[in-house]
Amino acid sequence: SYKLTQPLSVSVALGQTARITCGGDNIGSTSVHWYQQKPGQAPVLVIYKSTNRPSGIPERFSGSNSENTATLTISRAQADDEADFYCQVWDSFSAEVLFGGGTKLTVL
Amino acid sequence: VTLRESGPALVKPTQTLTLTCTFSGFSLSTTGVCVSWIRQPPGKALEWLALIDWDEDKYYSSSLKTRLTISKDTSSNQVVLTMTNMDPVDTATYFCAQIGDIAVTSYGMGVWGRGTTVTVSS
Repeated sequence: SYKLTQPLSVSVALGQTARITCGGDNIGSTSVHWYQQKPGQAPVLVIYKSTNRPSGIPERFSGSNSENTATLTISRAQADDEADFYCQVWDSFSAEVLFGGGTKLTVL
Repeated sequence: VTLRESGPALVKPTQTLTLTCTFSGFSLSTTGVCVSWIRQPPGKALEWLALIDWDEDKYYSSSLKTRLTISKDTSSNQVVLTMTNMDPVDTATYFCAQIGDIAVTSYGMGVWGRGTTVTVSS
């Protein structure tokens, strides 16, 4: 079955750029969504269809997707960006929603 | 758009869990709209469970499909998920989420409920 692979953790210095990856076989051919989840809260959609930002999400959040890796980029990282991030796709072959295992972002 | 999950906080092993997602601000009869259930065990990752669409098509996690049933009551703005044969490993926070027009969102979940915590213990 299709799997999405994320690094367990990513660290970034305050004000620098963080990149969180989501790996999958030929993931570049599908739409990838990204969620931010802070402790004790529900996830929030921050990127949909690989590159689109929902209203209210800062421009510092951006996404890209090519070949076997989708990437969530957070520019000018702030302390408030610390959270778990999950990628998600719709696997049309198996007709299932799939989530990656999640990445904990630490802002140093 | 808002969604709210409700159900028992505690169930015993082997029992059946019934959760209700009550929503407002949209209609589940609008073409392209879906509601999904997702769970998260303590300290662990999100796990997708099931999805129902505007046309009442239903989709389930392949690993849990034998235990899950999803249904909707459009007039009451509710989606119900049942999970049979509950086990302590099913202890988790259960979320429901709206998927807007899939032609636009491609199954991205734009709005989530706050979640309801379910503990499975005798």
